[in-house]
Amino acid sequence: QQQVKQSPQSLIVQKGGISIINCAYENTAFDYFPWYQQFPGKGPALLIAIRPDVSEKKEGRFTISFNKSAKQFSLHIMDSQPGDSATYFCAASNSAGGFKTIFGAGTRLFVKA
Amino acid sequence: EAGVAQSPRYKIIEKRQSVAFWCNPISGHATLYWYQQILGQGPKLLIQFQNNGVVDDSQLPKDRFSAERLKGVDSTLKIQPAKLEDSAVYLCASSFVIGTKNEQFFGPGTRLTVL
Repeated sequence: QQQVKQSPQSLIVQKGGISIINCAYENTAFDYFPWYQQFPGKGPALLIAIRPDVSEKKEGRFTISFNKSAKQFSLHIMDSQPGDSATYFCAASNSAGGFKTIFGAGTRLFVKA
Repeated sequence: EAGVAQSPRYKIIEKRQSVAFWCNPISGHATLYWYQQILGQGPKLLIQFQNNGVVDDSQLPKDRFSAERLKGVDSTLKIQPAKLEDSAVYLCASSFVIGTKNEQFFGPGTRLTVL
């Protein structure tokens, strides 16, 4: 019940295309859902986050869509660029539990120029 | 603002040896996390501190792993004795909760290879 399932494992997108990564969770106590971006040799960095009281959040080219009833959320990267090539992790945490964070397995994105 | 510092960046040891990792979080961040990231997987929380108290260590293999955070600032993670399956990147992160937002700032990690 603590798992966060992420798909696809890897993704290849043409420059200018839309990248879509999906995640699903089981524990309804989760109330904070961040996405992290990780480049090789670096630690993950927060990209964007959402709480379950909103269905969508947009920051620049990055959008999170959240479906509370389905317990699913997704990251959309519009106008994907080669510089977006990285590994993306979805995560879930419970603020009442001190924000203990469970990460998905990651999606390796490659944007072709 | 300085980021999360970790050392060493790389470590190679033989199985059954011991190893220690050090983390210096961002100044003022009360929460500190240690994660284990095995190649091709997401970070797995080992232990979470709030100031110098443990919030969660349910996934820490306590027979061989130990961690401490003295004075609520720096932290060390120790493995003794190491096993082959401990080969991974060990990430330290720190955060400061603002309202309902919790952004974790990660260090560059320590890549451990156990031979």
